[in-house]
Amino acid sequence: AQTVTQSQPEMSVQEAETVTLSCTYDTSESDYYLFWYKQPPSRQMILVIRQEAYKQQNATENRFSVNFQKAAKSFSLKISDSQLGDAAMYFCAYRSNTQGGSEKLVFGKGTKLTVNP
Amino acid sequence: KAGVTQTPRYLIKTRGQQVTLSCSPISGHRSVSWYQQTPGQGLQFLFEYFSETQRNKGNFPGRFSGRQFSNSRSEMNVSTLELGDSALYLCASTTYSGVYGYTFGSGTRLTVV
Repeated sequence: AQTVTQSQPEMSVQEAETVTLSCTYDTSESDYYLFWYKQPPSRQMILVIRQEAYKQQNATENRFSVNFQKAAKSFSLKISDSQLGDAAMYFCAYRSNTQGGSEKLVFGKGTKLTVNP
Repeated sequence: KAGVTQTPRYLIKTRGQQVTLSCSPISGHRSVSWYQQTPGQGLQFLFEYFSETQRNKGNFPGRFSGRQFSNSRSEMNVSTLELGDSALYLCASTTYSGVYGYTFGSGTRLTVV
């Protein structure tokens, strides 16, 4: 079974600074997708960024980028120019894309990000 | 377009009762998944429905069940509620598969007393 580990329960960053959230995962599959979701106090999970395992190029979405290291099974999220609205719980998630694999999302425990003005 | 709508937003039930939660996916989305979120266990997959058929199931007891209607709306039912069922229940929808990500609702906060 796949597992996702987020080793930082809490992180803080100054407004306009850069912060990196860590995520590692364990899988024997070679074809999968990785996601970062943000959950603000409103509770709704919002997709931040998505990475396809077979693509070596790291995904980027505006101020959000990932460092995907497939061999190391690492998938960190970098937030540049942090804004107050970035404060939230961030979840790393894995989804199999292997024939016969489960199509569910497997989540890490989350990292609570605080942005200080 | 409208997002994923979950009702009710909050619910308080007594141990032993049963409860039904509702989820209306984004128009055109035929897959609906349910997740349970608790402080201790985090986010755990309950089940997924596609075109009225359960396509995937997580590791939850038979007290947890669901269904999907022809309009893709889904309901989740929990019978014989236990205190440990207190959680945020999140619904997520996608078109066919979740390779491009899922759209989540704001959840139903269930408290069992």
